Amino acid sequence: DTGVSQDPRHKITKRGQNVTFRCDPISEHNRLYWYRQTLGQGPEFLTYFQNEAQLEKSRLLSDRFSAERPKGSFSTLEIQRTEQGDSAMYLCASSPRRQAQETQYFGPGTRLLVL
Amino acid sequence: GQQLNQSPQSMFIQEGEDVSMNCTSSSIFNTWLWYKQDPGEGPVLLIALYKAGELTSNGRLTAQFGITRKDSFLNISASIPSDVGIYFCAGPNFTFNKFYFGSGTKLNVKP
Repeated sequence: DTGVSQDPRHKITKRGQNVTFRCDPISEHNRLYWYRQTLGQGPEFLTYFQNEAQLEKSRLLSDRFSAERPKGSFSTLEIQRTEQGDSAMYLCASSPRRQAQETQYFGPGTRLLVL
Repeated sequence: GQQLNQSPQSMFIQEGEDVSMNCTSSSIFNTWLWYKQDPGEGPVLLIALYKAGELTSNGRLTAQFGITRKDSFLNISASIPSDVGIYFCAGPNFTFNKFYFGSGTKLNVKP
């Protein structure tokens, strides 16, 4: 089993540009989560997919953020008109189908720097 | 949303010492997860707890699910330099549609 993978690992962009990140979950994990993490803080939940359905969104996810998981496998997170405050590590995690004992596995993250 | 409070915020210990850290919540959880994160990497799952009072070990790591279901503890015995990192506790909401994380305990180990 390969782990969760994310691409790119690092992204530097200028304010106002759009960026898109990709997450490939562990195969056959039908649940996928996006988080944002800033320095010195724990991950903060952004959004959740079960298969291709986006079932939960945080208030942190402004209208400049959009996430998709079109075929229930990989997911993309797009940030439009980036702002300096968007600079953070964006983490993706996946979980297998609901079971009595929950787990969640993270990818290596995409570190975004907005200049 | 839920707030998870971790303490201490940071620790400086000597190699070989035992370490204890905890995580508390204002609300009950049905699952507690403990992660370790190295700089520039994603969190790695260390231990998962599913039952109040449960004590689970993973090598030199031992974690406990508090009986009130509002806290959890992580102990590391005989620390080594590679234990350096930030340790996070996490717990899901009732529907498991989101997980809440503490702000972490930063562990420094002096050789």
